[in-house]
Amino acid sequence: ETGVTQSPTHLIKTRGQQVTLRCSSQSGHNTVSWYQQALGQGPQFIFQYYREEENGRGNFPPRFSGLQFPNYSSELNVNALELDDSALYLCASSLLVGGAGEQYFGPGTRLTVT
Amino acid sequence: AQSVAQPEDQVNVAEGNPLTVKCTYSVSGNPYLFWYVQYPNRGLQFLLKYITGDNLVKGSYGFEAEFNKSQTSFHLKKPSALVSDSALYFCAVRGVRQGNLIFGKGTKLSVKP
Repeated sequence: ETGVTQSPTHLIKTRGQQVTLRCSSQSGHNTVSWYQQALGQGPQFIFQYYREEENGRGNFPPRFSGLQFPNYSSELNVNALELDDSALYLCASSLLVGGAGEQYFGPGTRLTVT
Repeated sequence: AQSVAQPEDQVNVAEGNPLTVKCTYSVSGNPYLFWYVQYPNRGLQFLLKYITGDNLVKGSYGFEAEFNKSQTSFHLKKPSALVSDSALYFCAVRGVRQGNLIFGKGTKLSVKP
């Protein structure tokens, strides 16, 4: 059983640019959630995808968007990058939407916006 | 609104001593509570969860957590700390509508030899 993987590991972008982060969910998991973890903070929920549809969203602007593919892998896209977007972006997969199932996290992508 | 609070930014423990990392929660309805650990430059690793039933939940790496409904707490414990337990620990509660996790700000655990 493979765990959650994310790419790239690190990324440096300039303010105003666009970025795409990728996530492969754990085998058999059909739900993917994305979180932003700023330095010294707990992860903040961005959105969740279930069966290729957005299933919920946190307090993030529309320039944060995503996709989920038929194989349940996912992308996070951020347009018009701002300095405050610098953070660790975590992807988590789970078998069920909501409920009692735990989420399994990938190692994250460290994004630096200069 | 659902929320969790971790009142301690850092907990220092000597190796071999028991450790406790505190968490309190605020939810509407029955809580689904989780503990995760994060090592430097790594993602979060699941330790344990409380859904229902026994108030003492056992998890990975010898950790356990005690659910206390009257005190709305879910403290993480370990009888004998190891230096390798040094990490950042997060308490989380499941969101009601969306099933996302709502995290506390984290507690840094430092175990000294």
